[in-house]
Amino acid sequence: GAVVSQHPSWVICKSGTSVKIECRSLDFQATTMFWYRQFPKQSLMLMATSNEGSKATYEQGVEKDKFLINHASLTLSTLTVTSAHPEDSSFYICSATGLAGTDTQYFGPGTRLTVL
Amino acid sequence: ELKVEQNPLFLSMQEGKNYTIYCNYSTTSDRLYWYRQDPGKSLESLFVLLSNGAVKQEGRLMASLDTKARLSTLHITAAVHDLSATYFCAASSGGNEKLTFGTGTRLTIIP
Repeated sequence: GAVVSQHPSWVICKSGTSVKIECRSLDFQATTMFWYRQFPKQSLMLMATSNEGSKATYEQGVEKDKFLINHASLTLSTLTVTSAHPEDSSFYICSATGLAGTDTQYFGPGTRLTVL
Repeated sequence: ELKVEQNPLFLSMQEGKNYTIYCNYSTTSDRLYWYRQDPGKSLESLFVLLSNGAVKQEGRLMASLDTKARLSTLHITAAVHDLSATYFCAASSGGNEKLTFGTGTRLTIIP
């Protein structure tokens, strides 16, 4: 149990385009999902926290208009990188909590974004 | 603001040796997590430590928590090559689910 998937696994896009990344909890209802960004050889930095049916809470320094987060259902959250630029190239990881009896975060496999 | 620091950042050790990775955090934490990350992969959960004096062991890895010192350790016993990875600690506080991650320790086990 407690499986989180992400789609796509990797994406390469041109500068100026938008990219959508999906995060799904496959076998539990995720009341809260988190989005992290990890640059090469660095730690994970929390970008935002999203709760189903409400607006995401962004961390300081993260542009909410650039990184659009939608948590429309208890099993799906999406992160859209709008007008992507090379500096947005990174490894994006989502996690989800909500498995009954625990507030442990379960991490997705990550999405590697490369913006040319 | 909760801050988490790990030491060392890089560690190269021979197979069969023992070593400890240290994780310090700046404010009272509800729980402390240890994760493993292989290159190009996401995080694998290793341990969750909930209370002072907590000790958990899995195979050659053992994690402990000292809440008074705001310190957690990950001890590696008789290292083997398969343990080569980056190890992260993370802490949460104030009843918040948000995790603050340490800098990570890149561990390389050499024959």
